Amino acid sequence: NAGVTQTPKFQVLKTGQSMTLQCAQDMNHNSMYWYRQDPGMGLRLIYYSASEGTTDKGEVPNGYNVSRLNKREFSLRLESAAPSQTSVYFCASTPIGTVPNQPQHFGDGTRLSIL
Amino acid sequence: TQLLEQSPQFLSIQEGENLTVYCNSSSVFSSLQWYRQEPGEGPVLLVTVVTGGEVKKLKRLTFQFGDARKDSSLHITAAQPGDTGLYLCAGATDTGANSKLTFGKGITLSVRP
Repeated sequence: NAGVTQTPKFQVLKTGQSMTLQCAQDMNHNSMYWYRQDPGMGLRLIYYSASEGTTDKGEVPNGYNVSRLNKREFSLRLESAAPSQTSVYFCASTPIGTVPNQPQHFGDGTRLSIL
Repeated sequence: TQLLEQSPQFLSIQEGENLTVYCNSSSVFSSLQWYRQEPGEGPVLLVTVVTGGEVKKLKRLTFQFGDARKDSSLHITAAQPGDTGLYLCAGATDTGANSKLTFGKGITLSVRP
């Protein structure tokens, strides 16, 4: 019962470098989400994918791109990393959108530092 | 953008004390969820409230949804060190495939033995 798996768990980048954060879920969920969590800021939605083949911007999409590779996998890419993107990134999934009594299942996060 | 204000931001109490924390908004939510997050882990759902005035209990935790569905409270009776963590509320303004959650900034609770 892996649930939502995020890789890597930790990463340090230099300003301007690129990288892709990976997320996979094994619960056959349709909807997937990427959040960032900063001290005192709570969770902010970056991008989401309501279903396979669709992606939409969230609250803070600038500087990021996403790919819904298939039903299981949803990746987040930083093309040119900036120090302001230092954060903890969480991937989450739900069976379909936001339905009462259906939780968002979260991964354990990727801790990303941009120097 | 719907804002969820959580208060207090930080709370440090002694084991055995009772506490109440709040999640407030000017927006009406179709449902509201409470999550708890421990260091190094993702948030885990505690409860979902849907109906205005609804009260749900989870052992020593009591959750209430406001009558107007704009606010919620979490009451913990006889807090334990295991209750320590970050408590997040999250509201949904609609349901369906394209609906999303808006999260509050969280309440950091520390329960001292």
